[in-house]
Amino acid sequence: GESVGLHLPTLSVQEGDNSIINCAYSNSASDYFIWYKQESGKGPQFIIDIRSNMDKRQGQRVTVLLNKTVKHLSLQIAATQPGDSAVYFCAEGLNTPLVFGKGTRLSVIA
Amino acid sequence: DTGVSQDPRHKITKRGQNVTFRCDPISEHNRLYWYRQTLGQGPEFLTYFQNEAQLEKSRLLSDRFSAERPKGSFSTLEIQRTEQGDSAMYLCASSLGVGTGAFFGQGTRLTVV
Repeated sequence: GESVGLHLPTLSVQEGDNSIINCAYSNSASDYFIWYKQESGKGPQFIIDIRSNMDKRQGQRVTVLLNKTVKHLSLQIAATQPGDSAVYFCAEGLNTPLVFGKGTRLSVIA
Repeated sequence: DTGVSQDPRHKITKRGQNVTFRCDPISEHNRLYWYRQTLGQGPEFLTYFQNEAQLEKSRLLSDRFSAERPKGSFSTLEIQRTEQGDSAMYLCASSLGVGTGAFFGQGTRLTVV
């Protein structure tokens, strides 16, 4: 069956540095991906999405890269700030409900 | 606030009691999803609606769980005869439809004692 997973459970970065959070998926038919940010005690917050017909999409300080050949997704956060500290999830789905991985905890060191 | 709204935010109940949660989606979003999240895990899909029709239910959704969306607007999730293993964050999300982002509410944290 399909699954969405993450390479690293925790990531620590210095404030001001760039962060890269990775995600692997196993279903080659996956065609829509979303990155969410979740702060403690809150619901997941939509960050950015990408469809399988794209390789890259940029938002404000964030970039998502999709490599369909190796079924890999990444979220890049530029100039990481303390407010970026949270758990980040990738999720997959288009015609099916979203499937989430376990998440990566990003800690920003001031 | 025009985001997804969930009520209550917190619920403590005794084992064996029934609980009901409510979700108000973003206006005009025709898809509504329920997820459950336990500590350290990603959200797990429970069920979803397209307007008032319940289109899919996860195997996680035991017979004690029931969800409704009677008029295609707000939804309720009821858990009957709660068990300690039901303790979790229950999340609701809505989307405009296929291929659009799902937006989550703040969740209802259930504690069964």
